[in-house]
Amino acid sequence: GENVEQHPSTLSVQEGDSAVIKCTYSDSASNYFPWYKQELGKGPQLIIDIRSNVGEKKDQRIAVTLNKTAKHFSLHITETQPEDSAVYFCAASIWNSGYSTLTFGKGTMLLVSP
Amino acid sequence: DSGVTQTPKHLITATGQRVTLRCSPRSGDLSVYWYQQSLDQGLQFLIHYYNGEERAKGNILERFSAQQFPDLHSELNLSSLELGDSALYFCASSVPGTSGRGSTGELFFGEGSRLTVL
Repeated sequence: GENVEQHPSTLSVQEGDSAVIKCTYSDSASNYFPWYKQELGKGPQLIIDIRSNVGEKKDQRIAVTLNKTAKHFSLHITETQPEDSAVYFCAASIWNSGYSTLTFGKGTMLLVSP
Repeated sequence: DSGVTQTPKHLITATGQRVTLRCSPRSGDLSVYWYQQSLDQGLQFLIHYYNGEERAKGNILERFSAQQFPDLHSELNLSSLELGDSALYFCASSVPGTSGRGSTGELFFGEGSRLTVL
């Protein structure tokens, strides 16, 4: 089955700095790569996703890049703010006919200091 | 608010006991997924139901079982509980998929049920 590795496990940055979280996956058939943000006491929430037919996707301060050859993808957050502090999870799956069983990485705790 | 409701929010029980966790998906969502979150293992996929039928199984122990009812709510039953079963259990639902139509892949998670086994 799919295996997703995520690094680093914790990341501390100053407000305004950029943050980068990296993930690798094992199954070359995976074609859907979402990122979820989990705030304290809440369930994970989708923040951005990318499919295997594109190499990069951007949404305001968040961007995700995908390298299919190397089987890795990354989350980039620019101009970080204290409210970005949370646990971020990457995931991978094979998207097929509307069903997708996500395999998650173990998460990165991002701390943004004012 | 994701629209997914999980009860109870917190549950404390003893080893050997049985508990039932309940999930109400977002209105109109036919798929329900169960995930277990522990500190050392992250989010582990347990099981997926679509419109009452089991679609996929992950790392779900034989002591655990789930079902999805005609009204689409789902229950996760955990029996012969062990200390290691202490975790957050999340339910998620998604837009129904029919050949990908109407489905974006996004999972909407509830706030979880925290199970503590003493």
